[in-house]
Amino acid sequence: GAVVSQHPSWVICKSGTSVKIECRSLDFQATTMFWYRQFPKQSLMLMATSNEGSKATYEQGVEKDKFLINHASLTLSTLTVTSAHPEDSSFYICSALTPEASGGPQETQYFGPGTRLLVL
Amino acid sequence: GQNIDQPTEMTATEGAIVQINCTYQTSGFNGLFWYQQHAGEAPTFLSYNVLDGLEEKGRFSSFLSRSKGYSYLLLKELQMKDSASYLCAALDSNYQLIWGAGTKLIIKP
Repeated sequence: GAVVSQHPSWVICKSGTSVKIECRSLDFQATTMFWYRQFPKQSLMLMATSNEGSKATYEQGVEKDKFLINHASLTLSTLTVTSAHPEDSSFYICSALTPEASGGPQETQYFGPGTRLLVL
Repeated sequence: GQNIDQPTEMTATEGAIVQINCTYQTSGFNGLFWYQQHAGEAPTFLSYNVLDGLEEKGRFSSFLSRSKGYSYLLLKELQMKDSASYLCAALDSNYQLIWGAGTKLIIKP
């Protein structure tokens, strides 16, 4: 399957700092990427849909000024957690749609390995 | 509203067969996915069904009945490494994935 990478895999930061997480599609171009967060023993929660060259679409309840998403190229989307607080500690996972299936019936999301964020 | 239901937890024995069920209610339907997620890791793609019937892929098979809003994932010849959470997700009319909460599968020797 398609390969998606995330960097960093682990982040520990102080409260009030900003953290940037990168999501890259390594062997394909992705016009659409998704950002999820997952708390322990809970399901994935979609935060936002990131479309290359346009503003991200945020899910209800997700603060767009706190979680800044930039999809500047067809292989890179970034999520910046601004002024992080301990309650932002979570597992952040990105996924990318394979291009030949975008919008079609066989849309498949491939996930990055995730980034574990711990805010002290 | 849109909803995905699957059991919270299941236990099975190594070498046996287990079936994980999933029922869905979505606004429109464009297919159903199964993902495997090991603890502390991101999900990995297992299968996609959009037509009724059984799709077999090695030890794993996935079944879909669109009229019943029902799918199952069948795992044969269970191995200890199959211990994981299995996530069911349906693609709605807007091509948004609606996720189930996941089924934690525990394999015992």
